[in-house]
Amino acid sequence: EAGVTQFPSHSVIEKGQTVTLRCDPISGHDNLYWYRRVMGKEIKFLLHFVKESKQDESGMPNNRFLAERTGGTYSTLKVQPAELEDSGVYFCASSQTAGSEAFFGQGTRLTVV
Amino acid sequence: AQSVTQPDIHITVSEGASLELRCNYSYGATPYLFWYVQSPGQGLQLLLKYFSGDTLVQGIKGFEAEFKRSQSSFNLRKPSVHWSDAAEYFCAVGDQTGANNLFFGTGTRLTVIP
Repeated sequence: EAGVTQFPSHSVIEKGQTVTLRCDPISGHDNLYWYRRVMGKEIKFLLHFVKESKQDESGMPNNRFLAERTGGTYSTLKVQPAELEDSGVYFCASSQTAGSEAFFGQGTRLTVV
Repeated sequence: AQSVTQPDIHITVSEGASLELRCNYSYGATPYLFWYVQSPGQGLQLLLKYFSGDTLVQGIKGFEAEFKRSQSSFNLRKPSVHWSDAAEYFCAVGDQTGANNLFFGTGTRLTVIP
């Protein structure tokens, strides 16, 4: 069974550009989470989807970040326009229920120059 | 406010030696506690978790952790480290719903020398 997959694995963009990160959760997992790790810091929760609905988006840093999960399958996280401080590793995770084990993807390393 | 402190950024141990990674948390209620490991090129993998009951928790790969409420700690241990344990280790805390909206520490990078 495929795990959580994230695309791309790396992205280098210029400040002001737009980037879209994609996460494909494990099939059948209704819960999908986005996290971010800025260099040298802790991994921070961004938001939580249950199917296509945003259950908790308290960790989204600002309105330059837009997460979607149309159809309740894969999710995208768009950053527009990107700023230097957005650089980091973006992790996606999915779980079958809110309380069951979360499985993480390998992450997308975003570098804004 | 919830927070997790991993005071050791980097630890080096010899293969076969014992290991203890420290984790302290701050949480208003009874916490749910987790340890994750990230090996190079991999995603985070759950090693073990504590929700309730026995405060000594056994996990995968021979790891265990002990919840000490009085010290607000959840230290990870392994009696004999293998070279394949070289990775980054993250402690995390969640609320009592068991939901995966977790607060992570900054991680501890483990190097294993022959």
